[in-house]
Amino acid sequence: DTGVSQDPRHKITKRGQNVTFRCDPISEHNRLYWYRQTLGQGPEFLTYFQNEAQLEKSRLLSDRFSAERPKGSFSTLEIQRTEQGDSAMYLCASSLLAGGHTRRYFGPGTRLTVL
Amino acid sequence: GQQLNQSPQSMFIQEGEDVSMNCTSSSIFNTWLWYKQDPGEGPVLLIALYKAGELTSNGRLTAQFGITRKDSFLNISASIPSDVGIYFCAGQPFTSGTYKYIFGTGTRLKVLA
Repeated sequence: DTGVSQDPRHKITKRGQNVTFRCDPISEHNRLYWYRQTLGQGPEFLTYFQNEAQLEKSRLLSDRFSAERPKGSFSTLEIQRTEQGDSAMYLCASSLLAGGHTRRYFGPGTRLTVL
Repeated sequence: GQQLNQSPQSMFIQEGEDVSMNCTSSSIFNTWLWYKQDPGEGPVLLIALYKAGELTSNGRLTAQFGITRKDSFLNISASIPSDVGIYFCAGQPFTSGTYKYIFGTGTRLKVLA
């Protein structure tokens, strides 16, 4: 399978704990995005990387959130001191800019539940 | 965050029927994408549209980029039970960079066999 992969698929944690999610994009894609999706809503943009550079962060991304893409390949999203409001599906997507057009492909997501 | 308006929010249809849904925005968009999402999974890209008036098909699915650049339509012909899921539109606003996609609120489709 050469699609976007995410790990873990599910994470249950207690309030106050730190969690880290991993995303492996499609291999030739230079752009990587993180989204958050809550029940009944569409995905909301969190942050975006072009290669290893983080070029945009949404206001949704509080100081407790940090994302990295150290070698321009896989990315990690860490949430420190989790709160119940952080419970959501965290989606990763990747794309390749070609001819000014991009098609964004999503991974299966990591479902976070904060107790 | 900002989201697009999708209509209808949900629909029940009989197997074999055609389905239409749309997505509207108050501002001009450069790109429209349509995704389908099954429970517990990530969205799967169905169709991408890049030019006003463009009409693109993918099997039984047909989508159009509205002439005003403020809307898009998705049609599913001869629906089957596996069409069940949530359909999201996503668009790139004219004023944004290529990373700034906004998602609709989703249309929940249920197909009755």
